[in-house]
Amino acid sequence: GAGVSQSPRYKVAKRGQDVALRCDPISGHVSLFWYQQALGQGPEFLTYFQNEAQLDKSGLPSDRFFAERPEGSVSTLKIQRTQQEDSAVYLCASSATGGVFQPQHFGDGTRLSIL
Amino acid sequence: AQKITQTQPGMFVQEKEAVTLDCTYDTSDQSYGLFWYKQPSSGEMIFLIYQGSYDEQNATEGRYSLNFQKARKSANLVISASQLGDSAMYFCAIPLPNQAGTALIFGKGTTLSVSS
Repeated sequence: GAGVSQSPRYKVAKRGQDVALRCDPISGHVSLFWYQQALGQGPEFLTYFQNEAQLDKSGLPSDRFFAERPEGSVSTLKIQRTQQEDSAVYLCASSATGGVFQPQHFGDGTRLSIL
Repeated sequence: AQKITQTQPGMFVQEKEAVTLDCTYDTSDQSYGLFWYKQPSSGEMIFLIYQGSYDEQNATEGRYSLNFQKARKSANLVISASQLGDSAMYFCAIPLPNQAGTALIFGKGTTLSVSS
């Protein structure tokens, strides 16, 4: 597709369940980023991939969060044993090379609600 | 450490007026980009405009322009001739230093409301 695609658009889960969020970046984009956005706040960085390599996962809030991009295109963010504080919008972004002068292009996000 | 400050939680403007959204930043990097994004209520984050730290001229993109003052570490977004569709949250962002790719650090955002 032309832009970054994320699915599902909305996800409701019960506390303790595992969830998986999918991101399909712009074709050919090397770099892929995941962000978490709490209500009324700016996005916060979670993790970064260059092709299939996860080069930075310093923003992942706990070991319940796991991300992968096995073939260097589609990425999945998995949250195990979800907690209420995981409720947020999860944004995926891609850029051509990931350099400091490259804009990142975002998907519409997945709005996760943990009951 | 990188830091972005957006001091205006909300701005109100009438259609066709110009509006300036403030952004100041702090970075130890000598070479960086400064980005502005728009987030409507529907949630998508839309890239608007970018300024490179070594660019001598202020960036412009249609009705959007940047008032970039590097010495003051200020990069204000100017929207000329506001439209109702400009009502949204606006975020200023700067790259975090990273190994290879550069994640962004965002300000808290400014909510712009345009009325007719």
